[in-house]
This record gives sequence, C-alpha cells and structure tokens, in this order.
Amino acid sequence: RKEVEQDPGPFNVPEGATVAFNCTYSNSASQSFFWYRQDCRKEPKLLMSVYSSGNEDGRFTAQLNRASQYISLLIRDSKLSDSATYLCVVNGANTGNQFYFGTGTSLTVIP
Amino acid sequence: DADVTQTPRNRITKTGKRIMLECSQTKGHDRMYWYRQDPGLGLRLIYYSFDVKDINKGEISDGYSVSRQAQAKFSLSLESAIPNQTALYFCATSDPLDRTYNEQFFGPGTRLTVL
Repeated sequence: RKEVEQDPGPFNVPEGATVAFNCTYSNSASQSFFWYRQDCRKEPKLLMSVYSSGNEDGRFTAQLNRASQYISLLIRDSKLSDSATYLCVVNGANTGNQFYFGTGTSLTVIP
Repeated sequence: DADVTQTPRNRITKTGKRIMLECSQTKGHDRMYWYRQDPGLGLRLIYYSFDVKDINKGEISDGYSVSRQAQAKFSLSLESAIPNQTALYFCATSDPLDRTYNEQFFGPGTRLTVL
C-alpha cells in the first residue's frame, strides 16, 4: 500500500470554479502534512502546510482529518495561473523524518 | 541566485557509465535529500542526510550512492547506469528549525536519460 495516495485527475475546470483535491495517507503516526505545487518540468514548491485546525491562505484552504487519515485542498475562484500539479506530502518522525509524496493531481483551469 | 543548485541540468549517457549528479545549497540547512520523479510514480526518496556524518537510505537506494562532502554539498552517483534510471532527479534541503516547519526547498532538477 502506498504511503500517500491521490487522485491523479486530470481536473479541468473553468475560471472562477471551486475545485477540491483529496489525499489519503496510510501511517496513522504521521505528523506533518503539506501541499506542494509543481509546474510542468519545474521543481515542487510549498503551497501550504496543513494543520489539524485547518488553515486558509487567500483562495486556498487546507484541512486535515486525522481520524480518517485524509488531507484536502480547496481552491476557490480558480485562476488560469492555478494550472499545475498539486502534490500531497506527509512526514513523520517515526519514519526517520522521511517525506512521502503523492503522485500528484493535475489541474487545468480553462478560460 | 538560486538557493539550491543542481548540475548538470540535463544529461544523456549510455548503459554502464558512471554518472555523478551534484547539488549545492546556500541556505545553511543541515538536511539534504535526493529524489527521483517518474511519471505516475511521484517523487521517491533515494538517500537523505541529516548532517555531514549522517547518510541514510531512502525508499529506492539500490543502484545509487551518495557523498556529503560538506554541509552545502550532496552528490548522487550512479555507479553503472541502466535505462530504468532514466528520470528527473531532484535535490532538496530542509531545516526543522525553520518557522515554516520543515518545508523542503528543491533544486531545479536534473533530467537524466540512460540509453
């Protein structure tokens, strides 16, 4: 079983739409959770960390459900510039502080 | 200037050749990582190092070796390259004391093709 699983998509949405991505993780002892964004042929970059209480950064909202072991990312009012691959990442001290990456969810925002 | 740099950016080589990928960082981070990315498989950890004297195998270390020459430098070697090592390779750094809480900073990647 993979440490982190994501729906690969692709998600094709019109500008202004709201889109949500989910991610599940297998290790209940995982401690840190992140969403990264990766543009085509570029390096991943941190979009936001995910906290138990949920957190929001502008149009982006991330939530963590420890009981069900899933993480979500909500993007409101999608922009063309949001088109990218979104990677779910999990980290835990009990895994030697290794980071585990999902395969990514592809988003294309259409004019 | 980029905080995490990788050389070369692109490399084409033949089966059986020895290849070294280099990573340098100016962020002053102790932790460095090597990943490979393949379509449909995401990023997978090859090796990681928490300081100059600490080297650890990741999920897919077979066929690879690393050297942490200094805090700022972490090299990945393929002793005898094979075609299924064709991939995009990323170096990353992190510092758990960063206020952003363990964010990883990636280099621009090295695209390696083994023929």
